[in-house]
Amino acid sequence: DAKTTQPTSMDCAEGRAANLPCNHSTISGNEYVYWYRQIHSQGPQYIIHGLKNNETNEMASLIITEDRKSSTLILPHATLRDTAVYYCIVRALAQKLVFGQGTRLTINP
Amino acid sequence: NAGVTQTPKFRILKIGQSMTLQCAQDMNHNYMYWYRQDPGMGLKLIYYSVGAGITDKGEVPNGYNVSRSTTEDFPLRLELAAPSQTSVYFCASSSTTGTGKQGTDTQYFGPGTRLTVL
Repeated sequence: DAKTTQPTSMDCAEGRAANLPCNHSTISGNEYVYWYRQIHSQGPQYIIHGLKNNETNEMASLIITEDRKSSTLILPHATLRDTAVYYCIVRALAQKLVFGQGTRLTINP
Repeated sequence: NAGVTQTPKFRILKIGQSMTLQCAQDMNHNYMYWYRQDPGMGLKLIYYSVGAGITDKGEVPNGYNVSRSTTEDFPLRLELAAPSQTSVYFCASSSTTGTGKQGTDTQYFGPGTRLTVL
């Protein structure tokens, strides 16, 4: 079973920042927070991951709370191509990825 | 780098037929995985492999078989196709060696095979 809780769906205006929350209150000390997304009918795409520090890459930023019980994925300037299902996954290295239902993010023009 | 490639993209099978879904990766990853995704659902792990010659069952292995004779290839075999196996199948690979993003076991997915069993 997925160890995370995400909203079922969210909307965001094009050009604005999209902030996707994730709760993972039972996360263990050796578990990372991973984010993937799946654009319709395509394979899941890796976005970002982190352990306890905030992370940023060319796609997104990941903000992890100090107690590590929740995190937020930030897409700084959302475009229509960011419309997808976003999965927050908690796992230790070499553990299986367990995909929950994710958040369906719709970017509106 | 082509990454993870899968063939075929689409296939229709009759009940009881068999087929092999092909998966290859050119990133020298030691881990490979097969998932299935039913409409509107998340991905479920079928089988995985931690290296050539080593495979293990995931959540939903029944009705499938795998082999891993090389690092690059991880084919998935359906012996007696059933309508319940109608799904989209994704292959993925990852590395548990190395540093940076590669060293933290990030999984990279192929484009998928859409299978219909009638």
